[in-house]
Amino acid sequence: GIQVEQSPPDLILQEGANSTLRCNFSDSVNNLQWFHQNPWGQLINLFYIPSGTKQNGRLSATTVATERYSLLYISSSQTTDSGVYFCAADPGGYQKVTFGTGTKLQVIP
Amino acid sequence: DSGVTQTPKHLITATGQRVTLRCSPRSGDLSVYWYQQSLDQGLQFLIQYYNGEERAKGNILERFSAQQFPDLHSELNLSSLELGDSALYFCASSVAPAGELFFGEGSRLTVL
Repeated sequence: GIQVEQSPPDLILQEGANSTLRCNFSDSVNNLQWFHQNPWGQLINLFYIPSGTKQNGRLSATTVATERYSLLYISSSQTTDSGVYFCAADPGGYQKVTFGTGTKLQVIP
Repeated sequence: DSGVTQTPKHLITATGQRVTLRCSPRSGDLSVYWYQQSLDQGLQFLIQYYNGEERAKGNILERFSAQQFPDLHSELNLSSLELGDSALYFCASSVAPAGELFFGEGSRLTVL
């Protein structure tokens, strides 16, 4: 099955800093999603982005399907951005949606 | 609020017992997925249903079973529970067999 790797595994930022999280996947995908798991365990949808670039406030994401990677940009980070960021790749057909191992982000004041 | 409802939110039980977790998908969604997240781990895919039929299967233990009912809600049954089954169990739904996933808040299972 498809392999999904995320980097870095851990990240500590000062409030106001910018960051880039990366998601590499081993095979072509029909869909790619980014999620934020907050400290209470909730999984929040960030982006549904099989290809191209999308922006939502301070967050944006880019997926380059032909090169099998996606990037999540966080600008002007806030303490509420803390948590774990997951990407999930869907190869399509009858194959399972596979999650990466996540990037744990801590934003300190 | 994603629109996906999971019950119960918390469950504490003993080894050897059996529990049932319930999931109601978003209105209009036909596909339901179950994931397991152990402490500080990633999300492990268990099983997917689409319109009542099993569509994809992950590394789901034989002690675990699931089904999707005609009203599209789904249940995950966990039997002969072991300490290692303690985890957060998530349900997600999507409109199509493959599409944007929306997650419920999870059911936190503790096996003592």
